[in-house]
Amino acid sequence: GIQVEQSPPDLILQEGANSTLRCNFSDSVNNLQWFHQNPWGQLINLFYIPSGTKQNGRLSATTVATERYSLLYISSSQTTDSGVYFCAVERDNYGQNFVFGPGTRLSVLP
Amino acid sequence: GAGVSQSPSNKVTEKGKDVELRCDPISGHTALYWYRQSLGQGLEFLIYFQGNSAPDKSGLPSDRFSAERTGGSVSTLTIQRTQQEDSAVYLCASSRTSGRYTGELFFGEGSRLTVL
Repeated sequence: GIQVEQSPPDLILQEGANSTLRCNFSDSVNNLQWFHQNPWGQLINLFYIPSGTKQNGRLSATTVATERYSLLYISSSQTTDSGVYFCAVERDNYGQNFVFGPGTRLSVLP
Repeated sequence: GAGVSQSPSNKVTEKGKDVELRCDPISGHTALYWYRQSLGQGLEFLIYFQGNSAPDKSGLPSDRFSAERTGGSVSTLTIQRTQQEDSAVYLCASSRTSGRYTGELFFGEGSRLTVL
């Protein structure tokens, strides 16, 4: 099946810093999403981005489908950004389930 | 409803008992997924329902696990003869599909299962 890797596995930032999280996948995909799992365990949708670039406030994401990677940018980080960031992909074949990467654990210090 | 609803939010049971976890997806979403997340770990796929098609059960860890989806809406995940290693948060998600394309995935808040 498709393999999904995320880097770095852990990241510690000072409040106000910027960061880039990466998601690599091993096959062509139909669908890619980024999620933030907050400290209470809730998975929050950030971006639905099978290709191209999107921005939402301090966050933006870019997926280069032909090169099989996606990047999540967090600017001017805040303590509320802490948690685990997951990317999930649906393989480019109808009826496939979503495969999640192992996540990047982000800690933003005040 | 407005979002994916799961119940119970917490369940504590004794080893060997059966449990049922319920998921009510977003209205109109034809795809429904169950995942499991052990403490500090990533999401493990369990089962996927898409419309009237046969479910993808490839992620179910043993024959003690089963799931059904009635009327293309509500789904129940059943774990028989629970073991301590079944302790985890069970997450349900749903999405809209259009032809071969799957839309955005939305998660419920999960059911936390503790097996004593």
